Amino acid sequence: GAGVSQSPSNKVTEKGKDVELRCDPISGHTALYWYRQSLGQGLEFLIYFQGNSAPDKSGLPSDRFSAERTGGSVSTLTIQRTQQEDSAVYLCASSPRGGRGTDTQYFGPGTRLTVL
Amino acid sequence: KQEVTQIPAALSVPEGENLVLNCSFTDSAIYNLQWFRQDPGKGLTSLLLIQSSQREQTSGRLNASLDKSSGRSTLYIAASQPGDSATYLCAVRSSGGSNYKLTFGKGTLLTVNP
Repeated sequence: GAGVSQSPSNKVTEKGKDVELRCDPISGHTALYWYRQSLGQGLEFLIYFQGNSAPDKSGLPSDRFSAERTGGSVSTLTIQRTQQEDSAVYLCASSPRGGRGTDTQYFGPGTRLTVL
Repeated sequence: KQEVTQIPAALSVPEGENLVLNCSFTDSAIYNLQWFRQDPGKGLTSLLLIQSSQREQTSGRLNASLDKSSGRSTLYIAASQPGDSATYLCAVRSSGGSNYKLTFGKGTLLTVNP
């Protein structure tokens, strides 16, 4: 079946502009995650959605970052007033059951964001 | 706070060599540990997942071990091939409150030369 898809695959923007990154999880997966991979850094957790529960936004680096998940499926990560330090690969993942210990996360190909 | 370290950061070997990648983590309260492969421009591919109650997992030429008490895992790749060239990431799922998060190491960049 189809895996996690993300769009766009690459995004180049100017400092100060807003960007939206999209994630389509695997159908039926209740949990959705966003991670960021900056140059020379490991992947860092940004935000977690599980069903209808309030999302865990504890990993968002600033209030310029926000995310939504509509209808329990597609998610959009929005970065307002982008800064050069926002340049990174943004990875989305989904999993069938979320917080269960045996749950496995399936990753999308990522969106490479470059802020000039 | 869980921290994951991978050694070495980069490794270059000739084809056919057996090799070991290392991962260490600071908090032994984990659900599982997972090894991923990342190719340039691609997402992460899960290679092996070891539950906290397990000691090792094997898939083809790959073998991953877990010593939870010492906070260490190794990924053994037998008879390496040029197609194995990629970045290998280790990720830990802690068993604390936010047990859905994965904490990643920075990865080992492996190059297998023909």
